[in-house]
Amino acid sequence: DIVMTQSPDSLAVSLGERATINCKSSQSLFYSSNNKNYLAWYQQKPGQPPKLLIYWASTRESGVPDRFSGSGSGTDFTLTISSLQAEDVAVYYCQQYFTSHTFGGGTKVEI
Amino acid sequence: EVQVVESGGGLVQPGGSLRLSCAASGFIFDDYWMHWVRQAPGKGPVWVSRINKDGSNTTYADSVKGRFTISRDNAKNKVYLQMDNLRGEDTAVYYCARAGSSSWYGWFGPWGQGTLVTVSS
Repeated sequence: DIVMTQSPDSLAVSLGERATINCKSSQSLFYSSNNKNYLAWYQQKPGQPPKLLIYWASTRESGVPDRFSGSGSGTDFTLTISSLQAEDVAVYYCQQYFTSHTFGGGTKVEI
Repeated sequence: EVQVVESGGGLVQPGGSLRLSCAASGFIFDDYWMHWVRQAPGKGPVWVSRINKDGSNTTYADSVKGRFTISRDNAKNKVYLQMDNLRGEDTAVYYCARAGSSSWYGWFGPWGQGTLVTVSS
C-alpha cells in the first residue's frame, strides 16, 4: 500500500501570510504514459465533509480561489495558500489515487 | 446543484448489519463512479469502496472486503453500502462521494454530509 505522510501536523499562520503544507508518498505517483501525478488535496472544516481543492497535483477544482495552488511531482508534493484568509482555517489532506486511494494524516492550519 | 445525501446510519451491536443509502441529484448519475469513504472520530478519511458507472465493477478496502457490499440503482439515482458482521473499528462517519470526474474515478468530488455508524454493545 502507498503511505502518505504529511508535514507539519499543524501550523499557525498570520492573516495574509503564506501557508505551506507538504505531502510525501512512499512511492512515485507519476505515471509517465500520461505525464500526470495522481494526487489530490482536500480541505475539511469542523463539522463538514472534505472539499476537493486540487487534483492531478496542480489542477484547481472549479470555484476554488486562486490563492490555493498545488505543486510537486513523483513523491514530494506541496499545497500552498498564498495569502491566508480567516475562512481557510481547516484541516488539509492529500490523497493518492495511483493505486487504490490513500489519504495523508492531515495538517491543521490555524491563525 | 450537485448533491449527495446519505442515510441509514445508527447504533448497531457488534456482528450486526446496517444498510446505508446515498441519494444523488444535480448530475447525470450513471456518468460517474461512486465511492464510500469513512472517517473515525478525530481521524483522517479512509476510502472504503467504489463502484463503476453501471455497477458491474466493485472494489473494496482490505479492511471491509467480504463484509461490505456496494451496489447502485441507476434508475433511482442511488448507491448503497450493505455492511455485515460489523466490528467496533467500523465506527465512523460514512460519506458518499461522487468521483471528481466522469472520465476518472481517482479523486472525490462532491461529498455528502455523512451518516454516523456506531458499533457498540
